[in-house]
Amino acid sequence: ETGVTQTPRHLVMGMTNKKSLKCEQHLGHNAMYWYKQSAKKPLELMFVYNFKEQTENNSVPSRFSPECPNSSHLFLHLHTLQPEDSALYLCASSQDERGGDPYEQYFGPGTRLTVT
Amino acid sequence: QKEVEQNSGPLSVPEGAIASLNCTYSDRGSQSFFWYRQYSGKSPELIMSIYSNGDKEDGRFTAQLNKASQYVSLLIRDSQPSDSATYLCAVNFRGYGGSNYKLTFGKGTLLTVNP
Repeated sequence: ETGVTQTPRHLVMGMTNKKSLKCEQHLGHNAMYWYKQSAKKPLELMFVYNFKEQTENNSVPSRFSPECPNSSHLFLHLHTLQPEDSALYLCASSQDERGGDPYEQYFGPGTRLTVT
Repeated sequence: QKEVEQNSGPLSVPEGAIASLNCTYSDRGSQSFFWYRQYSGKSPELIMSIYSNGDKEDGRFTAQLNKASQYVSLLIRDSQPSDSATYLCAVNFRGYGGSNYKLTFGKGTLLTVNP
C-alpha cells in the first residue's frame, strides 16, 4: 500500500450532481497530480500541482475543477458530468523536480466513478 | 504530439521464462523513464525507473535504455504467475512551462504468465 490515499473508492453520481474526490499523500512530496484512466486508453494527465506552481491541462472540461489547499491534499470537484466521464480517477504525488529530472510518481488506489 | 508506444499484447510466457516488454518514445529530449505494473482493477505501481543509457537491475527486473534509438525495455526473469498484469511505460516530456513536466504513459502491455 502506498502513502497516497483517495476517497471515496467508488462513486456513482447522476449528471446533475456535484461531488468531490479527495486525495491525501503522506510521503512528504510537494507535487500532486490527477489522472483519468478509461478503458482501452492510456492514462491521461488532467492536472498538476506543486507548491511552487499550478498548471492545468487545457483539454480538461470545466466540469472538472481541481483544488490544492496545501502540498498534502488535492481535491477534484465534479459537477454536471457526462456518462463518458465514467472512469478510474487516479491521484499521484512526487517530489518536485530538481535539476530538470522528475522524480517517481506514486499513485493512490483510485476512485472508480460511474456517471448515470 | 509526444507519444509513447507499447505493444498491447497480450504477451504470454510460460512460468520461469524471461518476459521482454518494449517501449518506444517520440521525444529525443526525454530524460526519465519509468515502468509501472498494474493489476486488473488496481492502480499503477512503480517497479523501475531509469535515467541513463544501459541496464539497471533490481531483483528479477532489468530495465534497458537506449536513448539514441528512443527505446526502453523491461525484462522479467524467472517469470511467475503473479507477474501477470499490465505493464505501463512512462516517459517524461517537458511541458506546461516553468519547472513542471509531463509524464506520458503508453497504453500498456498485458503480460500473462502461464503455470
